[in-house]
Amino acid sequence: SQELEQSPQSLIVQEGKNLTINCTSSKTLYGLYWYKQKYGEGLIFLMMLQKGGEEKSHEKITAKLDEKKQQSSLHITASQPSHAGIYLCGADGSGANSKLTFGKGITLSVRP
Amino acid sequence: NAGVMQNPRHLVRRRGQEARLRCSPMKGHSHVYWYRQLPEEGLKFMVYLQKENIIDESGMPKERFSAEFPKEGPSILRIQQVVRGDSAAYFCASSPTRQETQYFGPGTRLLVL
Repeated sequence: SQELEQSPQSLIVQEGKNLTINCTSSKTLYGLYWYKQKYGEGLIFLMMLQKGGEEKSHEKITAKLDEKKQQSSLHITASQPSHAGIYLCGADGSGANSKLTFGKGITLSVRP
Repeated sequence: NAGVMQNPRHLVRRRGQEARLRCSPMKGHSHVYWYRQLPEEGLKFMVYLQKENIIDESGMPKERFSAEFPKEGPSILRIQQVVRGDSAAYFCASSPTRQETQYFGPGTRLLVL
């Protein structure tokens, strides 16, 4: 079965700093999803990547997919307190998109 | 367009009771997925349903758990004779088609005393 490893496990940054978090799959990626979860709440969809080399941006968040490395990275530019939360990557390991496998998440704290 | 709705948001049950969790997908979405998030663990897939059909239940425990998505009304995740190990956050997601992005609800936090 597919496993997703996220690194680092947690991260504390000063407001205004840039940061990058990673998600590595044990198997071929057919689709990679990034979600954000506030503690005690639901998941908010951020971005989906499907093709190797694909890069998407939304506001100050950029995600990239390296198909060969079976890895995705999420970069936040000029972090703000509103970026704090748990970042989860989810992958479709079968191409059928019927069930997503998730990593354990990365907890991001942003110090004002 | 309202998002995925789940109720109740919090549910407390005593061991042996039944828990019923409801999920109303986003308008226009006919595909529903249930996931469970146990403390200190990641989000785990449980079951995938399309209107009136269970498509994939490979993540469902063999006993006590069942799910349905009737023609009319919300999808229901039912847990019979709950045990303390069932305490978790249960999330529902929906999508318009199988290939499209899954959007998640706020979750139901189940606590079994």
